[in-house]
Amino acid sequence: AQSVTQPDIHITVSEGASLELRCNYSYGATPYLFWYVQSPGQGLQLLLKYFSGDTLVQGIKGFEAEFKRSQSSFNLRKPSVHWSDAAEYFCAVGDDKIIFGKGTRLHILP
Amino acid sequence: NAGVTQNPKFQVLKTGQSMTLQCAQDMNHNSMYWYRQDPGMGLRLIYYSASEGTTDKGEVPNGYNVSRLNKREFSLRLESAAPSQTSVYFCASTNPPGQGPTGELFFGEGSRLTVL
Repeated sequence: AQSVTQPDIHITVSEGASLELRCNYSYGATPYLFWYVQSPGQGLQLLLKYFSGDTLVQGIKGFEAEFKRSQSSFNLRKPSVHWSDAAEYFCAVGDDKIIFGKGTRLHILP
Repeated sequence: NAGVTQNPKFQVLKTGQSMTLQCAQDMNHNSMYWYRQDPGMGLRLIYYSASEGTTDKGEVPNGYNVSRLNKREFSLRLESAAPSQTSVYFCASTNPPGQGPTGELFFGEGSRLTVL
């Protein structure tokens, strides 16, 4: 069955520190994978997507994600976070049917 | 270019009342979706329509019905609203990989529904 797991409900990092948000998925075929971000009171914005090819995907706002088929993972990374990155992050998987994880809320310490 | 438009933006219902959430997209997308968002639960897929004329259940379809009226419009109906259906509802559309240039979901602004 298709599923997405984001193990961390909340993550707190200091401004300027590196960030990794975890995403594990279950999918019966080649997965199409996405990361979205939602700022408080706002809609969802696509950060990046993976369909095929290079397993390291670059996105907007300095984010990147790496697809690891052997680990069924698609973790999101950023080398140095900014206070404006505080938001909720959602991993999603699917083609016709697209489902989301429960999200990870990122808090930034000044 | 309006993107994805959903109405109403806010609605308060009493238990047992019915209502329809309307959604329209002007991007010529094949696929349309209805999600609900609740704190701590992420976005949960209610129903989706991969193409005009087809609809399929998502993760939480109970208590809802949908209609893909045409390629542009995808409505969500609550026949007998329950307090558990209090949520923010998002409509979205896309062209899945291989069917168009995106794969990215484009979302409406959301509809906040309260069932008393």
